[in-house]
Amino acid sequence: DTEVTQTPKHLVMGMTNKKSLKCEQHMGHRAMYWYKQKAKKPPELMFVYSYEKLSINESVPSRFSPECPNSSLLNLHLHALQPEDSALYLCASSQDRGGAAQPQHFGDGTRLSIL
Amino acid sequence: GENVEQHPSTLSVQEGDSAVIKCTYSDSASNYFPWYKQELGKRPQLIIDIRSNVGEKKDQRIAVTLNKTAKHFSLHITETQPEDSAVYFCAASKNNDMRFGAGTRLTVKP
Repeated sequence: DTEVTQTPKHLVMGMTNKKSLKCEQHMGHRAMYWYKQKAKKPPELMFVYSYEKLSINESVPSRFSPECPNSSLLNLHLHALQPEDSALYLCASSQDRGGAAQPQHFGDGTRLSIL
Repeated sequence: GENVEQHPSTLSVQEGDSAVIKCTYSDSASNYFPWYKQELGKRPQLIIDIRSNVGEKKDQRIAVTLNKTAKHFSLHITETQPEDSAVYFCAASKNNDMRFGAGTRLTVKP
């Protein structure tokens, strides 16, 4: 059983659509992450939220807009995506202990296809 | 930024043999080194981790070693089983910033 829940599992959208990916955890973790994973590649860090504040943005294009409305939820708003944005989008969460990195727990991901 | 290199990219072993995967990192400030196993179509799952103040850690058939001076760490799997077949990723982390190696596809032949 995964403790990080992502919805939807699959998403197909056109380049002009607006959609959102959602991630939820109830482990009391205060750090939440978005990663992008292309086929046969490692996960690539996109965004990190620490105590609901954006702490890392890996120069991600503005067509990806993250949001952390509370300590349990993380959204990724999508608009005007390109075909190369098709990938598996993984959410993760961890405890936040300042300088001491903590184990990250991943959700099952949303498989996104851009037509 | 942190750069993690991982070798080999593919590894094939006979059931019962040992498997070793090696990683190097560039940022001496990295202080946490997890290993993830990812089966096809599934999420990465943490299998073992090590902190920079520890040289070795073992959990049943899995062990990890860390050489801070040389900035390299390794995953050792003994008595491999077919269900160990998967892609394994090493990672290096400081604060909440975690970077992955390119991955190793391990195949355990029965």
